[in-house]
Amino acid sequence: TQLLEQSPQFLSIQEGENLTVYCNSSSVFSSLQWYRQEPGEGPVLLVTVVTGGEVKKLKRLTFQFGDARKDSSLHITAAQPGDTGLYLCAGPNNNNDMRFGAGTRLTVKP
Amino acid sequence: GAGVSQSPRYKVAKRGQDVALRCDPISGHVSLFWYQQALGQGPEFLTYFQNEAQLDKSGLPSDRFFAERPEGSVSTLKIQRTQQEDSAVYLCASSPSLGLAGHREQYFGPGTRLTVT
Repeated sequence: TQLLEQSPQFLSIQEGENLTVYCNSSSVFSSLQWYRQEPGEGPVLLVTVVTGGEVKKLKRLTFQFGDARKDSSLHITAAQPGDTGLYLCAGPNNNNDMRFGAGTRLTVKP
Repeated sequence: GAGVSQSPRYKVAKRGQDVALRCDPISGHVSLFWYQQALGQGPEFLTYFQNEAQLDKSGLPSDRFFAERPEGSVSTLKIQRTQQEDSAVYLCASSPSLGLAGHREQYFGPGTRLTVT
């Protein structure tokens, strides 16, 4: 079983601040995905990173896949209250299922 | 367009009762997944269907859990003789593709929150 560890577990910041959350594993992944989940909803896919060293940007969100494909980070610039949610990383465990981390619960205060 | 829907959204069951949770995937999606999400945790894989075939049920925690997708569209997750440890959010996801899990875009429903008292 390939485990994904996410840190920090909780993060509370003020609107306008920058932040980075991490997803780490001792195993190599062929790809990693990042999701955001809001209360009472299912996770929504934000990005898939495939190539080691890859950087993808989605507006104020920057995703990076580690060179060794064992870790990934999500950086948010100038956080807004609408960014509040649970950020999950996930990687393929086998051909059929995705293995999720426990998530980082982000709160952005106005 | 319509996304993945799940019903009921909330279910309270007394210990020992049987429950049935329904998932309506996006029309035409061949792949369907069930996940269990405990409080404060990420989703954990339960089972996977490709059309009507259940190709992987390795995540089902016990033989009290049973899933079906008889016509390759709607799926039902059934839990028999519910226990308190079954309390969780049960998420369904569908995908249009058959490719490797890591490259597959999954669309999640809102989940069913099951509370066993």
